[in-house]
Amino acid sequence: GAGVSQSPSNKVTEKGKDVELRCDPISGHTALYWYRQSLGQGLEFLIYFQGNSAPDKSGLPSDRFSAERTGGSVSTLTIQRTQQEDSAVYLCASSLMASSNTGELFFGEGSRLTVL
Amino acid sequence: GENVEQHPSTLSVQEGDSAVIKCTYSDSASNYFPWYKQELGKRPQLIIDIRSNVGEKKDQRIAVTLNKTAKHFSLHITETQPEDSAVYFCAASKGGNQFYFGTGTSLTVIP
Repeated sequence: GAGVSQSPSNKVTEKGKDVELRCDPISGHTALYWYRQSLGQGLEFLIYFQGNSAPDKSGLPSDRFSAERTGGSVSTLTIQRTQQEDSAVYLCASSLMASSNTGELFFGEGSRLTVL
Repeated sequence: GENVEQHPSTLSVQEGDSAVIKCTYSDSASNYFPWYKQELGKRPQLIIDIRSNVGEKKDQRIAVTLNKTAKHFSLHITETQPEDSAVYFCAASKGGNQFYFGTGTSLTVIP
């Protein structure tokens, strides 16, 4: 596609429910990232996928958070038993990145999650 | 892991003046330093980047400088315009690895 696509753009859920956020990266991009941006805050790293390598999960804040990337393309971020502090914009980014070089991150529009 | 610090957190300048945002990093192996601009309600977008083999890079009114010895890099915006108002993020990365972002600088250009 033309850019990184994320869905849903907005999600309102009740505390304790599970949510799934989807990211469709730019075709051919091998690297995919998830970041969380709370209101007025910076970009908090969550998880990083690079090709077929094991993902870097070091940024996931708790075991309620998980992510997968199927077929090296679409990624899903799952938050189980949501809490109010999970409310934020979840940004996905992809990059055409080789193992020895670093390229531009292309961000999606984000998924705004509100936990009531 | 890498630690990127960014200052100031907020910055207000008069239209036409210059703005400077500074970042420091901790991992001497980091070799790629991009700057992203995020306008209100929009996605972050790359505005300029620099790799560790150069000390300065310019693109019209924006420039980035890198001091590898001191492990800091800066964004310079000259002749600021109202449309430069946004949040700016610096980042550091090394080949094939994740990006570490600074906490952001909210720039306001006063007409």
